[in-house]
Amino acid sequence: GAGVSQSPRYKVAKRGQDVALRCDPISGHVSLFWYQQALGQGPEFLTYFQNEAQLDKSGLPSDRFFAERPEGSVSTLKIQRTQQEDSAVYLCASTGTDSYEQYFGPGTRLTVT
Amino acid sequence: DAKTTQPNSMESNEEEPVHLPCNHSTISGTDYIHWYRQLPSQGPEYVIHGLTSNVNNRMASLAIAEDRKSSTLILHRATLRDAAVYYCILTGNQFYFGTGTSLTVIP
Repeated sequence: GAGVSQSPRYKVAKRGQDVALRCDPISGHVSLFWYQQALGQGPEFLTYFQNEAQLDKSGLPSDRFFAERPEGSVSTLKIQRTQQEDSAVYLCASTGTDSYEQYFGPGTRLTVT
Repeated sequence: DAKTTQPNSMESNEEEPVHLPCNHSTISGTDYIHWYRQLPSQGPEYVIHGLTSNVNNRMASLAIAEDRKSSTLILHRATLRDAAVYYCILTGNQFYFGTGTSLTVIP
């Protein structure tokens, strides 16, 4: 079966623009995670969904960041009024029921100019 | 959240065993120890996990100290494809990755 997919793979935005990053988790996976990975750093947790419920959003760095998963499958991470410090790779991961193993997508590399 | 400490980098010769250490002195009784690795330009991939007992799978072995304050990921024969950043993670609902250990495999 297909793994986690993310789109676009690369995104260049001018400072101040809004962007939307999409994640398609593995079919049937209940949990979905978003991470931000700056260059040379490990992934940092942003937010976590169980089905459509956003159970933890403590890692979102500001109110410009918003994530949703309205039907419990596809998720979108939206960044409003992008800043240069938002430049990073945004990773999505999903987990099945009763499993700790996270399956990661390839990430979206966002560059804000 | 409990944190982990890993060396920034390690080197290994090809086909030699590699022992990647991780300290997690503040681990709680319910934390699982997970290892992920990240190849260049890819998302992290699961390697192995355990709670108290040592674990083996086709990729690696995980040795967990009796007090659970440290663990070691063992790659039995390093190959060039094992060159990656290895992350030791304690799990609750969040995964704290830290900066991991960058493994270089020397041919």
